[in-house]
Amino acid sequence: DGGITQSPKYLFRKEGQNVTLSCEQNLNHDAMYWYRQDPGQGLRLIYYSQIVNDFQKGDIAEGYSVSREKKESFPLTVTSAQKNPTAFYLCASSSEDRGRETQYFGPGTRLLVL
Amino acid sequence: DAKTTQPNSMESNEEEPVHLPCNHSTISGTDYIHWYRQLPSQGPEYVIHGLTSNVNNRMASLAIAEDRKSSTLILHRATLRDAAVYYCILRDWDSGSRLTFGEGTQLTVNP
Repeated sequence: DGGITQSPKYLFRKEGQNVTLSCEQNLNHDAMYWYRQDPGQGLRLIYYSQIVNDFQKGDIAEGYSVSREKKESFPLTVTSAQKNPTAFYLCASSSEDRGRETQYFGPGTRLLVL
Repeated sequence: DAKTTQPNSMESNEEEPVHLPCNHSTISGTDYIHWYRQLPSQGPEYVIHGLTSNVNNRMASLAIAEDRKSSTLILHRATLRDAAVYYCILRDWDSGSRLTFGEGTQLTVNP
């Protein structure tokens, strides 16, 4: 089945540690996105990529980094510079980065700081 | 993207229709109206979208006011699985990137 997978479902980070969240899609979509969701809040855009080898900062990129070496993969690294990383992280993709297109979301990764 | 206003919460009974309203008085001519929903501890799920005409799909119907300043998501027969937060979002036809999620409407479905 086509879709988006995120792993792991839960991730624990120690203080000062970098962690990487995985996002893979087999929908053949060009555009991919990372969002952060805090409890009771809406989603906020961290980074997005419209095409392979290109990505742009979203609203809250500080303390995060991404890469887009393959069309189907868009991993997110939460660095030690992100002081409050505890949140629900959601990856999405769409066929192209246009407002008329639907975004498809993965199941999310919940990151907790020990 | 223009702003939308939704009620914080609504309740419905199982197997009854549900009408979820959304106001978007500053909508522009090129804004699509999108609806997504988010079940507990899951990623958002696309429901429906439209521009001017009413739209139907297997999940729901979208009724758009003639002046486009408001819209209503209609679930024809609510089930317990429809309990979720429903987000109404405007997106310009051409620009993309961020989906601006507000706080949405928490729908409770009573058995």
